Amino acid sequence: DAGITQSPRHKVTETGTPVTLRCHQTENHRYMYWYRQDPGHGLRLIHYSYGVKDTDKGEVSDGYSVSRSKTEDFLLTLESATSSQTSVYFCAISDPLAGEKLFFGSGTQLSVL
Amino acid sequence: AQKVTQAQTEISVVEKEDVTLDCVYETRDTTYYLFWYKQPPSGELVFLIRRNSFDEQNEISGRYSWNFQKSTSSFNFTITASQVVDSAVYFCARKGNTPLVFGKGTRLSVIA
Repeated sequence: DAGITQSPRHKVTETGTPVTLRCHQTENHRYMYWYRQDPGHGLRLIHYSYGVKDTDKGEVSDGYSVSRSKTEDFLLTLESATSSQTSVYFCAISDPLAGEKLFFGSGTQLSVL
Repeated sequence: AQKVTQAQTEISVVEKEDVTLDCVYETRDTTYYLFWYKQPPSGELVFLIRRNSFDEQNEISGRYSWNFQKSTSSFNFTITASQVVDSAVYFCARKGNTPLVFGKGTRLSVIA
């Protein structure tokens, strides 16, 4: 299994508070992604990174920011959490040299009350 | 946006029946990849197959088979002799010059 760790695994927070989710990989893969999964929507891309300090927006990036200061870490921040951001968040990694296949972390269940 | 459409939201079959999950994609890319992922009740996402756009050969892996037809932009997934352990949500996805785009998934329930 690909070495991807998401933390925390579960979090409950209140509306308006900042939240940071962490994704850590040990595979030295170049690309990292944050997806959210919601019923009826499948998985939707929030942000992705194609290298240290190189990031880009995905389909549902409003209300989220990311940072990647090291190859192995990709942080997702909700500056001011809203109830619509209650979701399961998945981190994924890939590398063109590894055939474009995405390897996923175990997910983070975030509840914003 | 270049969509991936899984028209079947939920399918229920009796064990040992064959079942086909449909996937239709849109793309403007000449080169692209198609994927299927499985999400069992435990929640993790499990890679099943990757197919590149230049390879239209159908593939079989045990009870699983995939039919890729470029002419109809479809990449369908068949499970033969379904088992209860096949119960999961299955996602089709496409990657071209943009990151992986997923369909909304098909929930398969296999009843004993």
